[in-house]
Amino acid sequence: ETGVTQTPRHLVMGMTNKKSLKCEQHLGHNAMYWYKQSAKKPLELMFVYSLEERVENNSVPSRFSPECPNSSHLFLHLHTLQPEDSALYLCASSQELGGSYNEQFFGPGTRLTVL
Amino acid sequence: GQNIDQPTEMTATEGAIVQINCTYQTSGFNGLFWYQQHAGEAPTFLSYNVLDGLEEKGRFSSFLSRSKGYSYLLLKELQMKDSASYLCAVKDSNYQLIWGAGTKLIIKP
Repeated sequence: ETGVTQTPRHLVMGMTNKKSLKCEQHLGHNAMYWYKQSAKKPLELMFVYSLEERVENNSVPSRFSPECPNSSHLFLHLHTLQPEDSALYLCASSQELGGSYNEQFFGPGTRLTVL
Repeated sequence: GQNIDQPTEMTATEGAIVQINCTYQTSGFNGLFWYQQHAGEAPTFLSYNVLDGLEEKGRFSSFLSRSKGYSYLLLKELQMKDSASYLCAVKDSNYQLIWGAGTKLIIKP
């Protein structure tokens, strides 16, 4: 595997379910990100990790719970979601956190539908 | 507040040239990025501008004017595979990326 991978690619869940999204980066990067992408809206940054420590949480509801067990893996645990949480969830990584030129590399995303 | 504006959708013809504009108001500026995103795929990096002027990379060029808070992405010799969304993003004074909503580019034969 190369780059940033995400599983599953598609997920349909009910509002009472618990599920997890997985992200893995094979680039040796130190920073990882979760974004939410809704149609015709800007990417919303949800969580940022640097060297496995959470450095930012942009007022995300507690029904989303991130986990970063090591610098290559990032999870997003989901529970009691709402239909408005249906979106594309993108994971990204970068060499470091911050800095001017610090390109983010994205995974293909998980298309989440909450019924 | 911080804001990035870009057109929602544009249409162009195969072989032609198209310019996608992006204007921004942010707290500080530490560079502007353009990403390409095909439907159902990951955004991929196209260009980075931090100084005023034009950066050329093959068929794609990106321009920046910091005094005007303005950038554009220029695509030449359009191909059908260029049909995608183009995302503009600015790094603010905290080095956080502020994203535009993206411009969906439709290429017609």
